[in-house]
Amino acid sequence: DAKTTQPPSMDCAEGRAANLPCNHSTISGNEYVYWYRQIHSQGPQYIIHGLKNNETNEMASLIITEDRKSSTLILPHATLRDTAVYYCIVRVRGTGNQFYFGTGTSLTVIP
Amino acid sequence: ETGVTQTPRHLVMGMTNKKSLKCEQHLGHNAMYWYKQSAKKPLELMFVYNFKEQTENNSVPSRFSPECPNSSHLFLHLHTLQPEDSALYLCASSATGTDLYEQYFGPGTRLTVT
Repeated sequence: DAKTTQPPSMDCAEGRAANLPCNHSTISGNEYVYWYRQIHSQGPQYIIHGLKNNETNEMASLIITEDRKSSTLILPHATLRDTAVYYCIVRVRGTGNQFYFGTGTSLTVIP
Repeated sequence: ETGVTQTPRHLVMGMTNKKSLKCEQHLGHNAMYWYKQSAKKPLELMFVYNFKEQTENNSVPSRFSPECPNSSHLFLHLHTLQPEDSALYLCASSATGTDLYEQYFGPGTRLTVT
């Protein structure tokens, strides 16, 4: 089954770029990679998703390797409000609605 | 604010109690979901409703009973729970499709079973 692997925690200085890696080596060829974040005491919040090409929106950039086995979420200028748990997510193979969230990376932005 | 509200935000109940969790979405969506988030474990999908009809039940024990009276409201009725059922219960909704990026999550109900 498709799974994801992320470092459990990371620190980033305020104003610097935060680069959060994810390994998804068993992802299917036609499945997207999704990134969500969860700030303490809130529900998960959508950030970005992608298939093969790099993606960018107002929140972040997503860099996907050519072999699609890993990706990196980039927060270009981290702020204290970006402190959260970040989840790299893929669909569980053979299912319609089930997505594997993993345990995420706890990002702490330091003043 | 995501347009999905959940009440109560916190709930403590004994194993013999009966309680209900409520979710309401103000987005005009047609699909609603219940998820369970236990400490140190991945988020688990429990139930899916599309146009008020249950379309998915991921082998959830019968002590959890969902109800979807209309497309805007979703309930999770709880009875004779176990301490291991203590978790954050999240509701989500989406417009039509069930792709993850279309889902908007509520803030969750933190449930503690004593």
